Amino acid sequence: EDQVTQSPEALRLQEGESSSLNCSYTVSGLRGLFWYRQDPGKGPEFLFTLYSAGEEKEKERLKATLTKKESFLHITAPKPEDSATYLCAVQGIQGAQKLVFGQGTRLTINP
Amino acid sequence: GAVVSQHPSRVICKSGTSVKIECRSLDFQATTMFWYRQFPKQSLMLMATSNEGSKATYEQGVEKDKFLINHASLTLSTLTVTSAHPEDSSFYICSAGRSPHEQYFGPGTRLTVT
Repeated sequence: EDQVTQSPEALRLQEGESSSLNCSYTVSGLRGLFWYRQDPGKGPEFLFTLYSAGEEKEKERLKATLTKKESFLHITAPKPEDSATYLCAVQGIQGAQKLVFGQGTRLTINP
Repeated sequence: GAVVSQHPSRVICKSGTSVKIECRSLDFQATTMFWYRQFPKQSLMLMATSNEGSKATYEQGVEKDKFLINHASLTLSTLTVTSAHPEDSSFYICSAGRSPHEQYFGPGTRLTVT
């Protein structure tokens, strides 16, 4: 069974304080690992898809990396508007397009 | 591009009534759509996979007769919560796959059953 574990559950940072969020996964054949951002009361917003170990993708202050067992979402010099819940999900080769989500990391950036 | 809409955004209904939620892909065609449920401060739990022109595939533990899914076209899937009860109150979110590697989410529907 595919599983995703995210840590920490919650993270508070000061504006400008860089950090990383972790997503550990087990999957029987990875088709893709997805990162989403979710604001309260809204649907997840797509950020990245990573497909193979060693791959990296960047978008503004966010950078996602992937190994065979985990993915990191690095946040550089965050701003208060980066506050949100960040969700990681895996798509296995056996589950059609099904995504299995982790519990998310609630990120708060204090000004 | 890749916009998914849901309607309604919020709905309040009485116990025992049925509620229909629509999910539309506005600028792409989606042969597959997904329905998720999210409880407060929890992650998304997949309820079912909706395939255009065929029956939906439900996850273990999800009642097929209670959560009716119809995927009548390449841009529209509907979820009907039948005989709703207070424990069905939740945030329901759909997603649509533009390709196997791209899945975009709607804004969600807050259902409250009184």
